[in-house]
Amino acid sequence: GAGVSQSPSNKVTEKGKDVELRCDPISGHTALYWYRQSLGQGLEFLIYFQGNSAPDKSGLPSDRFSAERTGGSVSTLTIQRTQQEDSAVYLCASSPARGTGGQPQHFGDGTRLSIL
Amino acid sequence: AQKITQTQPGMFVQEKEAVTLDCTYDTSDQSYGLFWYKQPSSGEMIFLIYQGSYDEQNATEGRYSLNFQKARKSANLVISASQLGDSAMYFCAMREETGGSYIPTFGRGTSLIVHP
Repeated sequence: GAGVSQSPSNKVTEKGKDVELRCDPISGHTALYWYRQSLGQGLEFLIYFQGNSAPDKSGLPSDRFSAERTGGSVSTLTIQRTQQEDSAVYLCASSPARGTGGQPQHFGDGTRLSIL
Repeated sequence: AQKITQTQPGMFVQEKEAVTLDCTYDTSDQSYGLFWYKQPSSGEMIFLIYQGSYDEQNATEGRYSLNFQKARKSANLVISASQLGDSAMYFCAMREETGGSYIPTFGRGTSLIVHP
C-alpha cells in the first residue's frame, strides 16, 4: 500500500515568502505528526493531529508556523514570512490512532526547505 | 533536560563485526515504548525495532536486537554482522504512555559508518 507522501520534495524560496508543505498520511491513520530536522540534528517535534484536531501544538516555534488537517487525512504546514533559520527538512509521520504498543510512526521522505 | 540521549555522534565498524549504539532515556512514566529508526543518506526514516517498558525479554528483529536495561534506563541497539548498507544515521526514540502525550521524542542520532 501507499506510504506517507510529502510534497514538494524540495522547496527553495526567498526570505519573507510564505510556504506550504503538504503531507498525505497512510490511509486510515488517524494520528499525524510534523517534525523538523536541521542539519546534523535530531527530530524536533512541531505539531500532532488526532483526526482533524491538534491536541498538541507545543512544538511550533513561532506564530509564523501553522498547520491544519482536513477530512482526517491531508495536512498542510504553513510557514509565513520565512526566515533563513527555517531552512531544514520537514518530516511528516502517521500512525494508527495515537500509537500504542509496538505501533511505530511511518515517515514520509520529507520536504527539504531552503530559504535564500 | 534531554529525554533521549545518544552520546555517540559517530561510530565506525568493520563489515561483519557487531556494533552497539547507545541510548539512555529519562522518564517518570511506568508505561513507555522505545524505538530505533535508521535514516540512510537518502533521508527516509526506517523503523527497526521496538521495546515496551513491560517487556521482559529483549526485542530482536533479524540482525537487530535491543539491549534493554530498565534500571539503568538504557536501550542500546546491537547490530550483528554489520553490512555496508547499514551505514546511516540511527535514532533512538521514546513514547511516554502514562500521563505523557504519546508523542515520540527523538535523540540527536548516531552516525554509523561500516568499513569494508
